[in-house]
Amino acid sequence: DTGVSQDPRHKITKRGQNVTFRCDPISEHNRLYWYRQTLGQGPEFLTYFQNEAQLEKSRLLSDRFSAERPKGSFSTLEIQRTEQGDSAMYLCASSPTGKAPQFFGPGTRLTVL
Amino acid sequence: DQQVKQNSPSLSVQEGRISILNCDYTNSMFDYFLWYKKYPAEGPTFLISISSIKDKNEDGRFTVFLNKSAKHLSLHIVPSQPGDSAVYFCAASVGGGGADGLTFGKGTHLIIQP
Repeated sequence: DTGVSQDPRHKITKRGQNVTFRCDPISEHNRLYWYRQTLGQGPEFLTYFQNEAQLEKSRLLSDRFSAERPKGSFSTLEIQRTEQGDSAMYLCASSPTGKAPQFFGPGTRLTVL
Repeated sequence: DQQVKQNSPSLSVQEGRISILNCDYTNSMFDYFLWYKKYPAEGPTFLISISSIKDKNEDGRFTVFLNKSAKHLSLHIVPSQPGDSAVYFCAASVGGGGADGLTFGKGTHLIIQP
């Protein structure tokens, strides 16, 4: 399967803990995106990488959120000191440059107790 | 302020008939539009897209129409099949995404009845 993969698929954590999610994009795609989706809403854009450069991070929800893509391949999204309001589906997508569709992974469902 | 609006939370259509899903947008800078389909507990699946230089794009049973003057697009599914039951999201971007990502509507839950 050469689609976008995400790990883990589900994460349950206690409030105050740190969590990290991984995304492996489609191999030839140089753009990588992170989104968050809550119940009854469409995905909400968080951050964007072009190769290893993070070109947009102002939409990350707070300074507790950070993302990396160290070698321009896989990416990680970390949430520090999780809060109950962070409970959501976190989606990763990748695309080639230009007007092209973004292809999404299956998502990581985060539950903060 | 929602820049992409899907005003019908749900739509019920009989199997074999046409399903029409609607989407309105407010940002005149959007120049690339997409439709995604989503099943529960899965990520969105890309269906079809259209650039603002076109007014129609077809792919099999799916056709997207774009009316730039009205800032409106629609997705037609003909004929509708039971497997089409899902939540459909309209999304828009400037230049394919880049630093602004995709802006999504809230989705329309399509139910295909036998």
